[in-house]
Amino acid sequence: RKEVEQDPGPFNVPEGATVAFNCTYSNSASQSFFWYRQDCRKEPKLLMSVYSSGNEDGRFTAQLNRASQYISLLIRDSKLSDSATYLCVVIQNTGGFKTIFGAGTRLFVKA
Amino acid sequence: NAGVTQTPKFQVLKTGQSMTLQCAQDMNHEYMSWYRQDPGMGLRLIHYSVGAGITDQGEVPNGYNVSRSTTEDFPLRLLSAAPSQTSVYFCASSYSKGTAKNIQYFGAGTRLSVL
Repeated sequence: RKEVEQDPGPFNVPEGATVAFNCTYSNSASQSFFWYRQDCRKEPKLLMSVYSSGNEDGRFTAQLNRASQYISLLIRDSKLSDSATYLCVVIQNTGGFKTIFGAGTRLFVKA
Repeated sequence: NAGVTQTPKFQVLKTGQSMTLQCAQDMNHEYMSWYRQDPGMGLRLIHYSVGAGITDQGEVPNGYNVSRSTTEDFPLRLLSAAPSQTSVYFCASSYSKGTAKNIQYFGAGTRLSVL
């Protein structure tokens, strides 16, 4: 079983739609959580951090559920420019520095 | 504002050749890492460093060496290239503490093909 699992998609949605991605992690020692965005043939870039209390950045909302060990990303009012791969990232502080990336969820937003 | 700079952007090697992928950051980050990205696999950690003079192995270290003689530079060496090392390689750096802790900044990547 992978330590961080994501639905690979692709998700195909029309402009203006609301879309949600989930990510599960297996190690309860995981302490920090992020969503990154990766455009085709580009490097990953931080989209937002994820906190237990939930956090929102414009049309994007991230949630963490420690009891069930999953994080989510909600995108409202999808734009064409939201088309990308969204990577779930988990940091484990196990006496060292261990960053684990999910394989990513592909999103296509169509006009 | 350079951030993380990787060179080269593209490289083709023959099996058995060696080469070094360069990575430099100008943000005074303590942590630096090398990842490879393969289709359907996500990013996998090759080696990382928590500061100058300190390196450690990640998930897939075999066939690669690293060194960290300065805070800024973290080169990745392929000792004897194999077709299985065909991949996209990303270097990343981050702070080790503070509010920006663990937020990684990536270089643009190196696309490597081993024939």
